[in-house]
Amino acid sequence: NAGVTQTPKFQVLKTGQSMTLQCAQDMNHEYMSWYRQDPGMGLRLIHYSVGAGITDQGEVPNGYNVSRSTTEDFPLRLLSAAPSQTSVYFCASSYSGGRATDTQYFGPGTRLTVL
Amino acid sequence: KNQVEQSPQSLIILEGKNCTLQCNYTVSPFSNLRWYKQDTGRGPVSLTIMTFSENTKSNGRYTATLDADTKQSSLHITASQLSDSASYICVVSAYVPGDMRFGAGTRLTVKP
Repeated sequence: NAGVTQTPKFQVLKTGQSMTLQCAQDMNHEYMSWYRQDPGMGLRLIHYSVGAGITDQGEVPNGYNVSRSTTEDFPLRLLSAAPSQTSVYFCASSYSGGRATDTQYFGPGTRLTVL
Repeated sequence: KNQVEQSPQSLIILEGKNCTLQCNYTVSPFSNLRWYKQDTGRGPVSLTIMTFSENTKSNGRYTATLDADTKQSSLHITASQLSDSASYICVVSAYVPGDMRFGAGTRLTVKP
């Protein structure tokens, strides 16, 4: 049971480049989400999904796209990278997305730098 | 304005001492409150989860309290160890999926 896995661990992009951050979980969780963590701030929700084929925007969705074709995978796409997207990105999963008292599991994070 | 405020921002204590971290929130309606531990360079790990009806929850040397009337929570760490050095994050959930508000965290350093 690997839990939540993320790839890559580190990435450097140039402004305007696009890329996909990968996230996968093997716990059969319905709810998956992407957060970014910036110094001095709490984690902020980018996008989330309550099940395969269903996604919705979080607090800071601009510049990011997601899709959920399977229960296991929830990739995050940066369409045209900007320096403001330099951050640490975390993927998380749980059964219900915080409504009930189920544990939310986080991946190890992807540290992204945009030059 | 962040709806979850944590204090202090950082804290240094000696190994073996106790400490208490604070979390105040304005999130409403309230579903549950969680405390996470985040080691440097890693993702957050859940310590405790409390609902409206629970006012205390323990996980080993970690004890969380909740006062839903005053919208305050605390995390008490007993007999601190060097491995307790980490950021501790308070998270408050409403009833809407995905509506989880994160505090900025308290950075705890335990020194020998």
